[in-house]
Amino acid sequence: GAVVSQHPSRVICKSGTSVKIECRSLDFQATTMFWYRQFPKKSLMLMATSNEGSKATYEQGVEKDKFLINHASLTLSTLTVTSAHPEDSSFYICSAEQGGMNQPQHFGDGTRLSIL
Amino acid sequence: SQKIEQNSEALNIQEGKTATLTCNYTNYSPAYLQWYRQDPGRGPVFLLLIRENEKEKRKERLKVTFDTTLKQSLFHITASQPADSATYLCALGSGYQKVTFGIGTKLQVIP
Repeated sequence: GAVVSQHPSRVICKSGTSVKIECRSLDFQATTMFWYRQFPKKSLMLMATSNEGSKATYEQGVEKDKFLINHASLTLSTLTVTSAHPEDSSFYICSAEQGGMNQPQHFGDGTRLSIL
Repeated sequence: SQKIEQNSEALNIQEGKTATLTCNYTNYSPAYLQWYRQDPGRGPVFLLLIRENEKEKRKERLKVTFDTTLKQSLFHITASQPADSATYLCALGSGYQKVTFGIGTKLQVIP
């Protein structure tokens, strides 16, 4: 149980393109999902907390107009990287909590984004 | 500010031995600590959670300890196997505060 599916797994696109990443909880409902960014040999960096039916909460330094988050249902959150540039290239990972706060997070398999 | 320290150097051990990974933290009083496994190009997978009032937790070949006085958690894998080779992340959380992840320690089990 507690499977989180993230799609696509890899994206390569030109600078200026907007890219949408989907995160789905397949066998449980997730009122809260998280979006992380991970650089090589660095820890997971929380970008934002996605709450179903309300606006996402962004971490300091993360541009909300750059990284649009939508959590339209209890099983789906999307992250859109708008007008992506090479510096946005990274590994993006989503996660969801099952059973509420202070519970383990279940992660998707990440999206490798490469902006040319 | 909160700081989590994991040995960023890779840990190499012989198959069959016990691997011990360390997670130290400062400027934090976590209510719980979690350990995750991450394989290259994949998302982390949850392994164990231990709360502040627990000293030790076990799951099959895994054992986690939590010493709030030393501000340290130890993660043990007994009878290690090459399939245990991965990066292991510790994560700390408390109440409504966001979970904070360490950088991870890469474990290599040599046949």
